[in-house]
Amino acid sequence: DAGVIQSPRHEVTEMGQEVTLRCKPISGHDYLFWYRQTMMRGLELLIYFNNNVPIDDSGMPEDRFSAKMPNASFSTLKIQPSEPRDSAVYFCASSTTSGGTTDTQYFGPGTRLTVL
Amino acid sequence: QKEVEQNSGPLSVPEGAIASLNCTYSDRGSQSFFWYRQYSGKSPELIMSIYSNGDKEDGRFTAQLNKASQYVSLLIRDSQPSDSATYLCAVNKNTDKLIFGTGTRLQVFP
Repeated sequence: DAGVIQSPRHEVTEMGQEVTLRCKPISGHDYLFWYRQTMMRGLELLIYFNNNVPIDDSGMPEDRFSAKMPNASFSTLKIQPSEPRDSAVYFCASSTTSGGTTDTQYFGPGTRLTVL
Repeated sequence: QKEVEQNSGPLSVPEGAIASLNCTYSDRGSQSFFWYRQYSGKSPELIMSIYSNGDKEDGRFTAQLNKASQYVSLLIRDSQPSDSATYLCAVNKNTDKLIFGTGTRLQVFP
């Protein structure tokens, strides 16, 4: 059974360029989470979806960041324009509901983004 | 005050010893608690979850929860070099999202 799939695994871009990160959650999971991880700030939740609907985007740093989930099997995180401080590892995770709260979150391999 | 706090380490223990990792949280309404392990360059993976006060054992791992004192700990018995990783504590405040600590780096030396 395939886990969470993310692409690309590595992205190097120049400041000002648009960056699009992609995620395919585990089939049947109804929650999808986007995280950013840096040495300084650790693992931060950016936004999460339930049944393709954005529930909480309070972690999105600013308007340069946007996320969509057009269907149950695909989500994107876009940064436009990108800045060097956006350099981080971006993880996507998915989970399913159990007992009224989300169960274990399964993480994808991450996308390492470097903005020059 | 951070919502979930962990000592960044590194915590160095010899092979075969018990490694003790600690985590404190600020919200008394927190309901669910998780320990994730993250190897360098890899993604976090769940190793333990605990919901009630007391101890929960799974193989060499024991999670301990004390809601009155607002701390959760992870004990690793018979530590192995392969246990060397960063351990992330995560807390669920009965919502859909987890709040992660910044992690404790564990080093197990032969």
